[in-house]
Amino acid sequence: TQLLEQSPQFLSIQEGENLTVYCNSSSVFSSLQWYRQEPGEGPVLLVTVVTGGEVKKLKRLTFQFGDARKDSSLHITAAQPGDTGLYLCAGRDNYGQNFVFGPGTRLSVLP
Amino acid sequence: SAVISQKPSRDICQRGTSLTIQCQVDSQVTMMFWYRQQPGQSLTLIATANQGSEATYESGFVIDKFPISRPNLTFSTLTVSNMSPEDSSIYLCSVDSDRGGGYTFGSGTRLTVV
Repeated sequence: TQLLEQSPQFLSIQEGENLTVYCNSSSVFSSLQWYRQEPGEGPVLLVTVVTGGEVKKLKRLTFQFGDARKDSSLHITAAQPGDTGLYLCAGRDNYGQNFVFGPGTRLSVLP
Repeated sequence: SAVISQKPSRDICQRGTSLTIQCQVDSQVTMMFWYRQQPGQSLTLIATANQGSEATYESGFVIDKFPISRPNLTFSTLTVSNMSPEDSSIYLCSVDSDRGGGYTFGSGTRLTVV
């Protein structure tokens, strides 16, 4: 069974600070996704990365897929209270149809 | 991407009863997925529902406890049967996004069993 680990588990920062959260596995994934989930809502897809070493930017969010396609990071610049939520990474292996979700990083950005 | 309407959004149920959760998608999709998210936890896949065939259940989940219907390409239901407090969770349906890049989720059903 493929497993994804995320760190840190919890993160509380002040508005304006930068942060990085990590998603790691010993397995190779054909693609990896990042989602943000707010209370009372389902997860919302932020980005999909497919190519090893790929970097994608979404406004203040920068996503990187590791060269070996086993890990990924999400960097947020100048965090805002609206960034508060549960950040989940999910990987699709080379053989399966489904995604495996990591345990999530719960981010709180204080004004 | 697809838009999913999921209901009910929340419910409080007595133990021993059953609750049926509905998901309606605004476009035709081949597969729909049902997830459980226990308090403070990540998502666990319950089953995959294909139209016209029985759902495929993941290890630890059985049809008698979580029967699923998929009568057409835009609709599915998940029933949580003979509920106990351990079934208190958020239940989410999802579909694969256009081009298979990721999932679109419903807003979830927050179930509390008392």
